[in-house]
Amino acid sequence: QKEVEQDPGPLSVPEGAIVSLNCTYSNSAFQYFMWYRQYSRKGPELLMYTYSSGNKEDGRFTAQVDKSSKYISLFIRDSQPSDSATYLCAIQSLNDYKLSFGAGTTVTVRA
Amino acid sequence: KAGVTQTPRYLIKTRGQQVTLSCSPISGHRSVSWYQQTPGQGLQFLFEYFSETQRNKGNFPGRFSGRQFSNSRSEMNVSTLELGDSALYLCASSETGSDNSPLHFGNGTRLTVT
Repeated sequence: QKEVEQDPGPLSVPEGAIVSLNCTYSNSAFQYFMWYRQYSRKGPELLMYTYSSGNKEDGRFTAQVDKSSKYISLFIRDSQPSDSATYLCAIQSLNDYKLSFGAGTTVTVRA
Repeated sequence: KAGVTQTPRYLIKTRGQQVTLSCSPISGHRSVSWYQQTPGQGLQFLFEYFSETQRNKGNFPGRFSGRQFSNSRSEMNVSTLELGDSALYLCASSETGSDNSPLHFGNGTRLTVT
């Protein structure tokens, strides 16, 4: 079993829809949670970073962490075609600070 | 600030050869990490350097090595290339590589081994 599980999709939604992305993890030492966005032929770009349970908002993006269930989510409101990309969750261990990545979910927002 | 810069962007090598990839971190960042990205395995951690010392290492064979210079720039080397080494190699930098110091990635070097 992988340390971080993420549904690879693909996910296709109409413009303006809410996109919901999820990851689960197994290691209780994981304490820092990130979401990255990766466009084709580009490196991952940091979108959100949090270390506490609860919600964190940044514009149209909301990251949600539930440490008791070992479950993290990313919501994209009012999705745009420019949001079409692969979204990767990444979780950092408190022990050695290495990042473990999910497989990535490919999202397409249809105009 | 300029982002993480990786060179070259594309590389084609033959089995058995060796290759060196270069990474310049964001100014002020002292930690540099390397990741391999493939469609089948996703992003896998290779190693991390901080202040010229390897601090963490992933589960890759000894053919994969790296180093960091005093200006925080880093190189990784792959010797005796195999077809399975074809991948996108990503470099990421952070201020300290520890908590509250998220990684920022470059656009990678696409290595093709024929």
